Amino acid sequence: EVQLVESGGGLVQPGGSLRLSCAASGFTFSSYEMNWVRQAPGKGLEWVSYISSSGSTIYYADSVKGRFTISRDNAKNSLYLQMSSLRAEDTAVYYCARDLGSTSWYFDSWGQGTLVTVSS
Amino acid sequence: SSELTQDPAVSVALGQTVRITCQGDSLRNYYASWYQQKPGQAPVLVIYAKNDRPSGIPDRFSGSSSRNTASLTITGAQAEDEADYYCNSRDSIGSQFGGGTKLTVL
Repeated sequence: EVQLVESGGGLVQPGGSLRLSCAASGFTFSSYEMNWVRQAPGKGLEWVSYISSSGSTIYYADSVKGRFTISRDNAKNSLYLQMSSLRAEDTAVYYCARDLGSTSWYFDSWGQGTLVTVSS
Repeated sequence: SSELTQDPAVSVALGQTVRITCQGDSLRNYYASWYQQKPGQAPVLVIYAKNDRPSGIPDRFSGSSSRNTASLTITGAQAEDEADYYCNSRDSIGSQFGGGTKLTVL
């Protein structure tokens, strides 16, 4: 069974940093592209970032470019999102999501999410 | 980047058919995918590519597209289909979601 478990969320002050993790199991993590998607409280879904299976190709939404860094450790079956210069508008539940395959941009498995709150 | 536009809310009588639409320029070049999200839960992929369903998704869910519009159709809506539905499409620099449609089953 595919499992994605996010962690690392919490309360952080504006301008602060936070590192999210996503632990993957039940599939060959190193073969799949991965994404981060977020959802502000009461709002819709927003794609945040993509990383290829090898980590060589990375994309970001304009809203986080230059502030967030996606990475992965295939030996540890883990995906990460380093967030810096955090703003109130970054407050959201952050989900990691697996790409269906072959860079399809279809997200077939999701974690349960981790809440990031940016507030003083 | 371009946007994906969805009606904020749609309702359907139990057992009837409902279509949820998504409009955007990127849909001229890429198929949409559709996600169902119930309160307090993570999204679930229900339709992708031309009209494919992941295993476990009932066949009452189907997808179609024409020009710049993608549609999700639920034929014989059930009470458990009440949820938020989001379309998604890749674009030139990544991916984007529509604003979501809240489906109410009456």
